[in-house]
Order: sequence, then C-alpha cells, then structure tokens
Amino acid sequence: DVKVTQSSRYLVKRTGEKVFLECVQDMDHENMFWYRQDPGLGLRLIYFSYDVKMKEKGDIPEGYSVSREKKERFSLILESASTNQTSMYLCASSLFRVRYDEQFFGPGTRLTVL
Amino acid sequence: QKEVEQNSGPLSVPEGAIASLNCTYSDRGSQSFFWYRQYSGKSPELIMFIYSNGDKEDGRFTAQLNKASQYVSLLIRDSQPSDSATYLCAVNSQRGGSEKLVFGKGTKLTVNP
Repeated sequence: DVKVTQSSRYLVKRTGEKVFLECVQDMDHENMFWYRQDPGLGLRLIYFSYDVKMKEKGDIPEGYSVSREKKERFSLILESASTNQTSMYLCASSLFRVRYDEQFFGPGTRLTVL
Repeated sequence: QKEVEQNSGPLSVPEGAIASLNCTYSDRGSQSFFWYRQYSGKSPELIMFIYSNGDKEDGRFTAQLNKASQYVSLLIRDSQPSDSATYLCAVNSQRGGSEKLVFGKGTKLTVNP
C-alpha cells in the first residue's frame, strides 16, 4: 500500500511564526504536491515537484515555499504565518506524470493561525 | 469561466437509486479525467479515471466523457449510504505552464436509507 504521511494532524501557530509542514511517501514516487483545501474553494495547488531539488509554483504559491532535498520528502514552509493561511493542507504523491496517474493523498494537516 | 466546474449540491438520493454527478471543464487540451471521493474528515481517494470518449464501467460506477462538449460525469448505480461523500472531479491542464491536476469544488452526495 502506498503510504503518504504528514508530520501533524493538527497544528496551532501564531501570526508571524515560521511553520514547517512535512510530507513523506514510501513508494519511491517521482512527483509530490501540496494543496490547501478550504470550504467553498475546493482543493488548490500550492507547489509541486517532479524531481528532487525541483519545484514549481502552483496556483496559489504566495506566502509559501517548499523544499525537496530527498525523493521521499517534500516540505511546505510558511515563512511568516498569517491568519488567512488557516486551512487544511494536503500532501499528495504520484508515480507518473499528472496525465496518467493517480495521486495518493496524505491524511492532511489542519493548521490554525491565531 | 472556471477551469473545472461541478454542481456543489448537496445531491440527495434514496438508497438503491442512481446518483448522477456532473463536471464541465474549460481546457480543450485536457486529456485525463479523474473522479475522487472524499469522506467527511478524510482525504480524497481515486475511484475512477477516464481518458477516452464514451463510458467506462467499474462495478457500480460508470464514468462518461464527452470531449466535444467538455463534459464528464459519474454515475453511481444502486446507491448505498456508504456512498455518501463529496465527489471531486479533476482534470489535467497545461494552462499557465507545467501540467497539473485541477480540481472542481466537489459535489456533496447524501444517500438516504
């Protein structure tokens, strides 16, 4: 079974803090993705990576950065957390490129920024 | 026009009925179409994908694709209460650069016993 794990299920941070969300997959997948999910807005792509040390901006990259130093790990960084970044964050991975392959999602991290 | 549009619902059907979920997309270059199911409090999981025009059946689920109309649907036959979830339509798109998956906002389905 593919397993995608995320470092925390729930996280509470204060405005201005630097926040790290970690994602690890155990299936040697090439591709990893970070989404946020908000009521009424659906799933929106923040950043993605098709290879180690490679990253590409998604639809809403502002206020976020990512790091992929190892194939199995993809980190999302909020440099200075703001209240509008309160959301559910979902990490996903896939073996092949988007067109042909299923994305496997982690359990999500519900982040609250106070 | 939004890239991927779905009726937000909620859609309510009686147990045993056919549930019909619809999705339209704007990128004519899209070639891959996915249906994900998301139970409340859980992550999305893939239930169907379709690449070619026509129907694709998998058990009680049928995906239908009409590229000329830019329309994809999911039919659930003999709906069960366990099918109650939000269904997300996802479409590949290369607008704005690298290929990515664009999700609709989802349709919430409730199957009443």
